[in-house]
Amino acid sequence: EIVLTQSPGTLSLSPGERATLSCRASQSVTNNFLAWYQHKPGQAPRLLIYSASSRATGIPDRFSGSGSGTDFTLTISRLEPEDFAVYYCQQNAHSPLTFGGGTKVEIK
Amino acid sequence: QVQLVESGGGVVQPGGSLRLSCAASGFTFSNSGMHWVRQAPGKGLEWVALLRYDGINTFYSDSVKGRFTISRDISKNMLYLQMNTLRPDDTGVYYCAKGSGWLADGWGQGTLVTVSS
Repeated sequence: EIVLTQSPGTLSLSPGERATLSCRASQSVTNNFLAWYQHKPGQAPRLLIYSASSRATGIPDRFSGSGSGTDFTLTISRLEPEDFAVYYCQQNAHSPLTFGGGTKVEIK
Repeated sequence: QVQLVESGGGVVQPGGSLRLSCAASGFTFSNSGMHWVRQAPGKGLEWVALLRYDGINTFYSDSVKGRFTISRDISKNMLYLQMNTLRPDDTGVYYCAKGSGWLADGWGQGTLVTVSS
């Protein structure tokens, strides 16, 4: 099983600031099949990024993904008020599919 | 657009059974794989099961293998999760999600399952 470790656990930032979230895999993720999801309380999780760097349909370009192998990053260039949420990485290359523990982006 | 609506959650005693349903619309259900993903209270997301687009091949997490069964009825555009021998650590919100390959690219709002005596 691939273990995904996200850091930091919590990121305290102000609107307009840049957010950088990290996801590290215990072994290389084949084809960089690494996705990022945004999750707000009481809502459905939303796919942001797939295949490490491709934005899902309708996702604003302030969200970007990068990385390969075992190290991946989600960057939010300028935080909007609606971006404060929990973010999860997930590998969809190997069964069982696994998620990271999440990074909470909160308002400072 | 993709719409997924889960139902069937509730309170059940340890050792009991429950069947969750997910009504799908807005996409070609018969050509899509489908996932179940759960979230325990105060915890992160945990993948539970996948039914491939062929409706035949299934995959489960080790924590539910042998106890849960994922299935679908394409005539009704419905996905199911039959959960048997439930344990307190199965408590959580259960989400169904549309699969694109192994990727979950559209999600429902979830249904709450509570396993408690």
